[in-house]
Amino acid sequence: QVQLVESGGGVVQPGGSLRLSCAASGFTFSNYGIHWVRQAPGKGLEWVAFIRYDGNDKNYADSVKGRFTLSRDNSKNTLYLQMSSLRTEDTAVYYCAKILYAFYPIAAPPFDYWGQGTLVTVSS
Amino acid sequence: QSALTQPASVSGSPGQSISISCTATSSDVGGYNYVSWYQQHPGKAPKLMIYEVSNRPSGVSNRFSGSKSGNTASLTISGLQAEDEADYYCSSYTSSSPVFGGGTKLTVL
Repeated sequence: QVQLVESGGGVVQPGGSLRLSCAASGFTFSNYGIHWVRQAPGKGLEWVAFIRYDGNDKNYADSVKGRFTLSRDNSKNTLYLQMSSLRTEDTAVYYCAKILYAFYPIAAPPFDYWGQGTLVTVSS
Repeated sequence: QSALTQPASVSGSPGQSISISCTATSSDVGGYNYVSWYQQHPGKAPKLMIYEVSNRPSGVSNRFSGSKSGNTASLTISGLQAEDEADYYCSSYTSSSPVFGGGTKLTVL
């Protein structure tokens, strides 16, 4: 069955860096785009970033552009979100989510499978 | 501010039907058929309930249905059950990126 497992969350000071991973199984990882969506404590969902199935297209929310970088290793079925210059407002549970359609060229929803999330806390 | 506006809360009694609206604040969102709906129980990951306005993924109860009129999409849940109590989010696509509504808390009385 499809599984997405996030890891790498933790507590980091403002200005610090963290790398999140999303390990995929149960589907042909290299055929699907993946999104990151975050949820601040007690708040709603916020889209963060997208990487196309082949890694050749990436989109970022304005709130993280220039600070977050997405990459994927299709040989390891793993996605990475490198976060730097972290701010207190980046505190959230970060989910990776798979696009429904294979070879989807754009960053549009729907997201048919989500991981369980990993908590990032930015605090001094 | 989200490009998609949802009511903060809705409620209904078991067996009743409720609808949750999702209104786009710009015409380009309303022009797409990328609207999807997600259910989220406390402490859990979101779950896809409806995609492309009115399509239901395999395994989702047919009590859940979606529609769209102009710039407003709606999720309707019929025959409300206690386990439907959750947060619901709509999502669409605008300016080359996905966008979510602010979420609606459904309370089953």
